Amino acid sequence: DAKTTQPTSMDCAEGRAANLPCNHSTISGNEYVYWYRQIHSQGPQYIIHGLKNNETNEMASLIITEDRKSSTLILPHATLRDTAVYYCIVRPSYSGGGADGLTFGKGTHLIIQP
Amino acid sequence: NAGVTQTPKFQVLKTGQSMTLQCAQDMNHNSMYWYRQDPGMGLRLIYYSASEGTTDKGEVPNGYNVSRLNKREFSLRLESAAPSQTSVYFCASSEGRGLAGEYNEQFFGPGTRLTVL
Repeated sequence: DAKTTQPTSMDCAEGRAANLPCNHSTISGNEYVYWYRQIHSQGPQYIIHGLKNNETNEMASLIITEDRKSSTLILPHATLRDTAVYYCIVRPSYSGGGADGLTFGKGTHLIIQP
Repeated sequence: NAGVTQTPKFQVLKTGQSMTLQCAQDMNHNSMYWYRQDPGMGLRLIYYSASEGTTDKGEVPNGYNVSRLNKREFSLRLESAAPSQTSVYFCASSEGRGLAGEYNEQFFGPGTRLTVL
């Protein structure tokens, strides 16, 4: 699986858009980009995923660059409840004989400031 | 709809004791997973079950066994607990893969906080 690189931490003011970057320069053609978040002491929560087109749902937008080497998760109007660790994960569309499941790195600790 | 439930929420064991962590889901999902999360780290996959009757090792299976009891339940057993197994354990379930082969959303339980003395 492609390795991902995320900043360790970020701050954002409440009500502003939070833009979380992820670098995945070794991503291959069949690998999807997934975002999960983990609010303190809770289980992770799925946010969004995409292959090459930009995606939007009720929680967030995912912007993937044309070369697919990086992506940005956008929370359009951040609230205090969005304070969490955000994980960017890259996984292929087939298991290729490897273990199933997700591989979580250390993620980005997003702190929403009042 | 309870989603994914885990029992117990907290547990303290002595080295060498055994215990089973229970997980159940009510979403009729085929796939279930066990992860562990050490302080300040991301989650690591211990075992998974792609469907009822099958189980496979993940990244860190040593010291654990699993049982897919039925479609709803997936248990994790520590036969002889060690301090290195002190961690938070999360169970998850999903519908497996989508039409294009991509991973579907995984739903996570609230976790079991295990301390081994």
